[in-house]
Amino acid sequence: QQQVKQSPQSLIVQKGGISIINCAYENTAFDYFPWYQQFPGKGPALLIAIRPDVSEKKEGRFTISFNKSAKQFSLHIMDSQPGDSATYFCALESNTGKLIFGQGTTLQVKP
Amino acid sequence: EAGVAQSPRYKIIEKRQSVAFWCNPISGHATLYWYQQILGQGPKLLIQFQNNGVVDDSQLPKDRFSAERLKGVDSTLKIQPAKLEDSAVYLCASRPVRQSSYGYTFGSGTRLTVV
Repeated sequence: QQQVKQSPQSLIVQKGGISIINCAYENTAFDYFPWYQQFPGKGPALLIAIRPDVSEKKEGRFTISFNKSAKQFSLHIMDSQPGDSATYFCALESNTGKLIFGQGTTLQVKP
Repeated sequence: EAGVAQSPRYKIIEKRQSVAFWCNPISGHATLYWYQQILGQGPKLLIQFQNNGVVDDSQLPKDRFSAERLKGVDSTLKIQPAKLEDSAVYLCASRPVRQSSYGYTFGSGTRLTVV
């Protein structure tokens, strides 16, 4: 049972460009909506997270936009850098800390 | 602060054999999770511990998978007997008792290949 759908599956962006990844979810009973970054051979690392009562959160070059009524949220990476090349996962976090991950987006930032 | 430690990093076994993975969470983190990440997919929760008690094991294939967390610190995940479809990265994560997403830390995982 897929509760979160992530798109696109892969993304190629030029250095300095904006990377945008989207997620749509079904169930609304979650406490947080985080984004994780994963490099090959490493575990996922939390990038940024938002609560459902907030519409936007910005941390440095990373911004989450949250649309509760549409059940969608997105990650924007401004001024994308080659070091941002990684796999990105959106997730739904329950009040017990259980994470339900999206399918992942492989981002490649070209120099 | 030391991260979540996992061992071994890699393991290759034949189907029907058994295997065990070990996790040492961040000191003081009461909650520990085991996730399975199949190649090309997002991680999927297998089991969650709060101290040494199981909170959620609804997605753990209990006919072949088992996990324990003795004394509320280290944890082991075992597969017996292994199947080809168990080939995946097994990730351990930990966080304090009640924390936002910002307390969540994953280890680097154990990559299991079943041949």
